[in-house]
Parts: sequence; C-alpha cells; structure tokens
Amino acid sequence: TQLLEQSPQFLSIQEGENLTVYCNSSSVFSSLQWYRQEPGEGPVLLVTVVTGGEVKKLKRLTFQFGDARKDSSLHITAAQPGDTGLYLCAGKSTTSGTYKYIFGTGTRLKVLA
Amino acid sequence: DTGVSQDPRHKITKRGQNVTFRCDPISEHNRLYWYRQTLGQGPEFLTYFQNEAQLEKSRLLSDRFSAERPKGSFSTLEIQRTEQGDSAMYLCATLENSYNEQFFGPGTRLTVL
Repeated sequence: TQLLEQSPQFLSIQEGENLTVYCNSSSVFSSLQWYRQEPGEGPVLLVTVVTGGEVKKLKRLTFQFGDARKDSSLHITAAQPGDTGLYLCAGKSTTSGTYKYIFGTGTRLKVLA
Repeated sequence: DTGVSQDPRHKITKRGQNVTFRCDPISEHNRLYWYRQTLGQGPEFLTYFQNEAQLEKSRLLSDRFSAERPKGSFSTLEIQRTEQGDSAMYLCATLENSYNEQFFGPGTRLTVL
C-alpha cells in the first residue's frame, strides 16, 4: 500500500517568515502534485512534478521532487496571510495501467498578519 | 470555478437512510474520481471511472457504497443505510489527460445524525 506522510501537520507562522512542508513515502511515484484547499472547497492544483530532482517555482513557492521520486517538498518564501490553507501532496501510482492518486495527510498552514 | 459541479453541496440525513450524490465533470475529461475527506485530513481514494467503466475501487469501500457513470458523463455515488461514520466531505474530480491534472468539484458535505 502506497502512503504519503506530510510534515508538519500544523504550522502557524508570522507574515514574512519562510517555511517548508515535506511529503515523504517509502514508495516510488510516477508523478507528484501539490494542492491547496480552503475550507468548504475542493483542492486546487498548484503544480505537478514528474522527473526525479525536478524543481519548479511558482512565484514565492518552490517545489522539489526527490531524486528517487519518493518524496517532495514545498518551500514558501515570505509567507502572506493569503497563503493560509490546507496543503496536500498527491502521488500518482506507478502500477501499470492505473491512474490512481494517493493523497498525503495534509499540512494546515496559518499565516498571521 | 473548476468546471466540475457537485450536487447537493450539503446533505443532512438520519442514520439508516440512503443518500445519492451527483457529479457533473468537465465534458472532455474521460476519467472521473470519487474521494472522501474527513476534517483536516487528505482525501481518501474511493473509486475511479474511465468513461463508463469503473476501473478501480478502494478495498476500504464497504458494500453499502456504489458508484455509477452510466453514459460516461455525469456520475452518482450512493450510500445505503448510512452510518454516523459516513459523515465526511465527498469530493469528485476529473482528470485532464495531457498533463494528468485533477480538477476538483466543491464537494458534498454529508452529516449523518
């Protein structure tokens, strides 16, 4: 069974601080996605990483896929209150012919003004 | 608005009743997913369809749950004889094939009294 563990589970920081969220597994994934979810809404895709070692930047957000495609990180620079939300990673199974996605346990971020 | 709609947005029911949820996907997306999410956790995979074929179903899904996608367009998720433990957010997502990006609906929040 493929599992994704995220850490930390909760994070409360002041506006302007930097933070990193981790997504770890003992399994290999063919791709990994990061989502942000706000209360009462569905998750919204932020980025997809496909290649081991890949780094993608989205404004103040930097995403990295581990070399072995088992882990990923999300780094936010100079966090703002608008970054508040539940951050989720999701890995696509490597089992041939399946399009199943496994979601991580989530990191709830609160950025205080 | 992702283009994926779900109905109803909220459902309150008594234990033992049957409930049915509907998902209307983005029309050109042929893969459709159902997830269940409890408060503060990541979405848990339930099942997915490619067109009208149900390709995979979670082993955690009891026989009280059934999903259909009769014409490869909209999908329904039915829960029979609801239990309090079924209370959760039920999310539908469709998959954009070129980039394997999932687009989520706003979810149906179920409360079983």
